[in-house]
Amino acid sequence: RKEVEQDPGPFNVPEGATVAFNCTYSNSASQSFFWYRQDCRKEPKLLMSVYSSGNEDGRFTAQLNRASQYISLLIRDSKLSDSATYLCVVNSGSNYKLTFGKGTLLTVNP
Amino acid sequence: EPEVTQTPSHQVTQMGQEVILRCVPISNHLYFYWYRQILGQKVEFLVSFYNNEISEKSEIFDDQFSVERPDGSNFTLKIRSTKLEDSAMYFCASLGPGETQYFGPGTRLLVL
Repeated sequence: RKEVEQDPGPFNVPEGATVAFNCTYSNSASQSFFWYRQDCRKEPKLLMSVYSSGNEDGRFTAQLNRASQYISLLIRDSKLSDSATYLCVVNSGSNYKLTFGKGTLLTVNP
Repeated sequence: EPEVTQTPSHQVTQMGQEVILRCVPISNHLYFYWYRQILGQKVEFLVSFYNNEISEKSEIFDDQFSVERPDGSNFTLKIRSTKLEDSAMYFCASLGPGETQYFGPGTRLLVL
């Protein structure tokens, strides 16, 4: 089983749509969870950390279910600028090393 | 806003040559990392560095790889004898508050 598994995508949505990304992780000892976004040929950039209680930042909502080892990201009212690859990322060891999913490509169309 | 910087942005080298990739992490951070991303694949952990020594390394980080913090600011990744399969984007990162890692813009390495 892959350590971090994401929807393969790609997702193509119109502007204003709501889009959901799903992710599962295999290591039940994982401690911290993140969503990063990566633009083509650029570095990953932190979008948001994911907390057990769920958290929201503007149009973005992240949820974590530790029992199911499942993480989600919801983007509401999507913008053209949201087009990117969304990376589910887990910190599951000592030394805070990150384990990445392969990412899900989102294209928001006008 | 402080950021991680990396040089060079691109490096082309012949197979068997040594390369050194350079990074300047954010100044008050204590943990540093190298990751790589082969084209079309996921980002993979290579090595973590804390208190002037390697704290963890992956299976990818074999004897051909080494890291160093030669002074108070630079953090380098050396590949001793490059192979074709070392062609990838190499990202440096440093650990900030909230266990958040901040990534540099990357060095694109092409081995011919």
